[in-house]
Amino acid sequence: DQQVKQNSPSLSVQEGRISILNCDYTNSMFDYFLWYKKYPAEGPTFLISISSIKDKNEDGRFTVFLNKSAKHLSLHIVPSQPGDSAVYFCAASEDTGFQKLVFGTGTRLLVSP
Amino acid sequence: KAGVTQTPRYLIKTRGQQVTLSCSPISGHRSVSWYQQTPGQGLQFLFEYFSETQRNKGNFPGRFSGRQFSNSRSEMNVSTLELGDSALYLCASSFASSYNEQFFGPGTRLTVL
Repeated sequence: DQQVKQNSPSLSVQEGRISILNCDYTNSMFDYFLWYKKYPAEGPTFLISISSIKDKNEDGRFTVFLNKSAKHLSLHIVPSQPGDSAVYFCAASEDTGFQKLVFGTGTRLLVSP
Repeated sequence: KAGVTQTPRYLIKTRGQQVTLSCSPISGHRSVSWYQQTPGQGLQFLFEYFSETQRNKGNFPGRFSGRQFSNSRSEMNVSTLELGDSALYLCASSFASSYNEQFFGPGTRLTVL
């Protein structure tokens, strides 16, 4: 049962344009969401997070949007840079006090010059 | 501030053997979680330790176990290795609550022959 889904396995974008990565979830108990970036042979690197009490969070070039009614979140990267090329994972957790992240399957982003 | 470290980085074992992986969290982090990453299943939660106690466990067989020491360092053990245990094993550390982002180490690549 895939509770967090990233339906696009890959995305190609030109440098300077906007990258939009999408994520859907099914568990209504999830109330904290995170995006991670992963390069080959490295662990995931935390990018940005959002709690369910918000619908938007920004950090520099990265913005995460949360639509609770649709159980959907998205990560916008503006402007995209070649160094952003990596696999992006969305993750979710419940407010249980325990650290358990449920990850999506990832979207490979390729930003071309 | 030093990041999460994992040893060894690469490991080759044969079926039936057992293996122990080690993780040193970021200084001050008391929660350590373990994840398994495989091409077919993505990133899956194994277990979480906090103050030497396992707080949460994922859906893995009992061959997968772990422990945490008083200095927050953690080890995970896999007994009676199977071919399907070949994966990247990731350790992540964080402060206590579920609203803290987890910081991942580089992982241990385990290959079972």
